Amino acid sequence: EAGVAQSPRYKIIEKRQSVAFWCNPISGHATLYWYQQILGQGPKLLIQFQNNGVVDDSQLPKDRFSAERLKGVDSTLKIQPAKLEDSAVYLCASSLTSLYGYTFGSGTRLTVV
Amino acid sequence: GENVEQHPSTLSVQEGDSAVIKCTYSDSASNYFPWYKQELGKRPQLIIDIRSNVGEKKDQRIAVTLNKTAKHFSLHITETQPEDSAVYFCAATRNRDDKIIFGKGTRLHILP
Repeated sequence: EAGVAQSPRYKIIEKRQSVAFWCNPISGHATLYWYQQILGQGPKLLIQFQNNGVVDDSQLPKDRFSAERLKGVDSTLKIQPAKLEDSAVYLCASSLTSLYGYTFGSGTRLTVV
Repeated sequence: GENVEQHPSTLSVQEGDSAVIKCTYSDSASNYFPWYKQELGKRPQLIIDIRSNVGEKKDQRIAVTLNKTAKHFSLHITETQPEDSAVYFCAATRNRDDKIIFGKGTRLHILP
């Protein structure tokens, strides 16, 4: 089974620039999550999708972060404008409802300078 | 909402000895507790999990225990090996495909 695909693997941008990350979940997984992992900390949930609907975005800084999951498959996470404190690894995860736990992608390491 | 506390933040053990990592959770409705291992530069990977209707689960050198009354759960690694060096995260959730809340992680060093 193919895993969760994410791109790019690495991104360096200047503060106030925009950036977008892409995630392709495991085929058939209805639930998709975006997590932010700052160095030395545990992953923090940003947003959870069930198919193409948002289930929980309470931790998403909506003034600068946005996410979408059109057609209930791929998802993109955008930051505009980026701040220095957004430097982190952005992890995408997906799960098959009711039976299995998460599978994480390899993540995108964002550095804001 | 759920809050997961994990300790210690760093743990060093001699190769061959046992390591124990402890976590507490706040939401009594949480019923699924996975543990993830994250090696440097890699994604978190599920290593073991436990449901609230079970008090203990074992998989070779790894075991998890759960005390629902006290709302704490622990990871036990026996006969530690160099490849056990990593960051370990405990987590809690209300069900298997709900959002998972992670602890801050324990960096485990296995000393030669």
